Amino acid sequence: GAVVSQHPSRVICKSGTSVKIECRSLDFQATTMFWYRQFPKQSLMLMATSNEGSKATYEQGVEKDKFLINHASLTLSTLTVTSAHPEDSSFYICSARARDRVTDTQYFGPGTRLTVL
Amino acid sequence: GQNIDQPTEMTATEGAIVQINCTYQTSGFNGLFWYQQHAGEAPTFLSYNVLDGLEEKGRFSSFLSRSKGYSYLLLKELQMKDSASYLCAVRDLTTDSWGKFQFGAGTQVVVTP
Repeated sequence: GAVVSQHPSRVICKSGTSVKIECRSLDFQATTMFWYRQFPKQSLMLMATSNEGSKATYEQGVEKDKFLINHASLTLSTLTVTSAHPEDSSFYICSARARDRVTDTQYFGPGTRLTVL
Repeated sequence: GQNIDQPTEMTATEGAIVQINCTYQTSGFNGLFWYQQHAGEAPTFLSYNVLDGLEEKGRFSSFLSRSKGYSYLLLKELQMKDSASYLCAVRDLTTDSWGKFQFGAGTQVVVTP
């Protein structure tokens, strides 16, 4: 259980274009999903918390107009990187909160490698 | 995460034991998590401690001391596939009811034949 998928796994785009990344919880409902960014050999940095049916909460320093997040259903959240630039190239990972009898943790999707040329 | 410290890299031989230490500082502690991350992949959940003591899960064990702000992940009978980065993460309740995860930079474990 607690499987999270992410699509696409890899994307290369030109500077100035927009890229949409989908995150789905496959076998559970996730009221809360998280979006992270990770640069090589660095820690995961939380970008925003996405709650189903409400606006996302962005971390300090993350531009909400550049990183659009939509959590339209209990199993789907999307991140759109608008007007992407080379400095946006990174590994983007989503996660979903899952609760069971033992733990209340988050499970990660496989990540999306974004390269902006 | 600036409040979470763990070693950058550790090397051990196949079949051996390795202990990865993690120290943290947080005012709203609500759980410590260990994740394994292979290069180019997302982290996978390994263990969770919220009370003091040792949690054992097969070859992996995790220990927590809340008074010392300290945890370790113990990997026994190391296998080549255990070569990965191990992330220590702390859930902090000071910001909201569920809490945010703060991640350490990860410890790269290299298993040699």
